[in-house]
Amino acid sequence: GQQLNQSPQSMFIQEGEDVSMNCTSSSIFNTWLWYKQEPGEGPVLLIALYKAGELTSNGRLTAQFGITRKDSFLNISASIPSDVGIYFCAGQRGGSNYKLTFGKGTLLTVNP
Amino acid sequence: GAGVSQSPSNKVTEKGKDVELRCDPISGHTALYWYRQSLGQGLEFLIYFQGNSAPDKSGLPSDRFSAERTGGSVSTLTIQRTQQEDSAVYLCASRDRGDTQYFGPGTRLTVL
Repeated sequence: GQQLNQSPQSMFIQEGEDVSMNCTSSSIFNTWLWYKQEPGEGPVLLIALYKAGELTSNGRLTAQFGITRKDSFLNISASIPSDVGIYFCAGQRGGSNYKLTFGKGTLLTVNP
Repeated sequence: GAGVSQSPSNKVTEKGKDVELRCDPISGHTALYWYRQSLGQGLEFLIYFQGNSAPDKSGLPSDRFSAERTGGSVSTLTIQRTQQEDSAVYLCASRDRGDTQYFGPGTRLTVL
């Protein structure tokens, strides 16, 4: 099935550094979402974006819905060891089923 | 409150055997989704249930895969005559009237 293009695939950073990851698509989505998955767990929603151009923050996390509705980015500021995990972008096209299309994920490792 | 639960957490089976994976959604959630997560991949949509409506089976990879949702609550994903390429983490998610999907911890299936 179709997947979003998410990059980078992995990141190794030092504690305190800022992180940026992004997703692009060849088609439009009405909603962009960012999830975090830790080992042995299901993905947990971090941020949801509903309008083109929208910039939303959740603590140290900031995400933007691209103006073309074909891309989104997630920034994490001042990273801490518990930020470790796999971050997924997901898009929804709307309609009543809210079916999600996922990126392949960005594996984040934070060195203390 | 109780989240989405899935059982078993791990399942090892031999090629050619049938397996059943169970999902208990959050109480009162009318929508239920199954996704498959292969190693290093994002989540791939499999099937969607909404109330008493006919399920959206458009993501099922072959006719060996089927799913039921009894009484609008518990769901079972069945894979017949398992193949090695079926090895993956199978994730279930449920949703209430909003658009946020809440994921369970997944079942890790290994087909030998």
